[in-house]
Amino acid sequence: GQQLNQSPQSMFIQEGEDVSMNCTSSSIFNTWLWYKQDPGEGPVLLIALYKAGELTSNGRLTAQFGITRKDSFLNISASIPSDVGIYFCAGLGSQGNLIFGKGTKLSVKP
Amino acid sequence: NAGVTQTPKFQVLKTGQSMTLQCAQDMNHNSMYWYRQDPGMGLRLIYYSASEGTTDKGEVPNGYNVSRLNKREFSLRLESAAPSQTSVYFCASRDRQPWTGRNGYTFGSGTRLTVV
Repeated sequence: GQQLNQSPQSMFIQEGEDVSMNCTSSSIFNTWLWYKQDPGEGPVLLIALYKAGELTSNGRLTAQFGITRKDSFLNISASIPSDVGIYFCAGLGSQGNLIFGKGTKLSVKP
Repeated sequence: NAGVTQTPKFQVLKTGQSMTLQCAQDMNHNSMYWYRQDPGMGLRLIYYSASEGTTDKGEVPNGYNVSRLNKREFSLRLESAAPSQTSVYFCASRDRQPWTGRNGYTFGSGTRLTVV
């Protein structure tokens, strides 16, 4: 089946740093989405991308839909403590289902 | 406006027991989905219902059954629970086409199931 490879698996941030994560697929998707999940909660949509090459921002978050439609990245600028959590990329499947990456866990540097 | 409500929030079962996870949405969405989330695995689709009266298998359907009771409710049943079904289960619903992004796909807060 379709799979998404998301990297890195985890990263530590210091407040104020920029963060970057990406997602690649062996299949084409016409819609890419980025979600954030806090402990004990369901995923919450951050950004949705509908067009190859599209660059979309949501506050300090910026995401791009790759030209080949097989990849996407998410940047977080000037990170703050509440950015910690798990970030998931997802592609929209043909049945309206979401195919998720395995997540990038963002933690605060000790 | 509650969105997607899942019950129970936590459950412990013994191997072989059965139970039903409940999901209800109040957004008049046509499509509903059940996912499971395991550590390091992301979310994987178990079953979905594109519209009232239809259900289809997803990526990991074995050991589960579903019922789309009406437009609001979509339940997931474990007939004979196994330790491999220990997971966090998420229900989601979404709008019909056109895809509306932020308002199109909503997740519940999950059911944490442990099978011992």
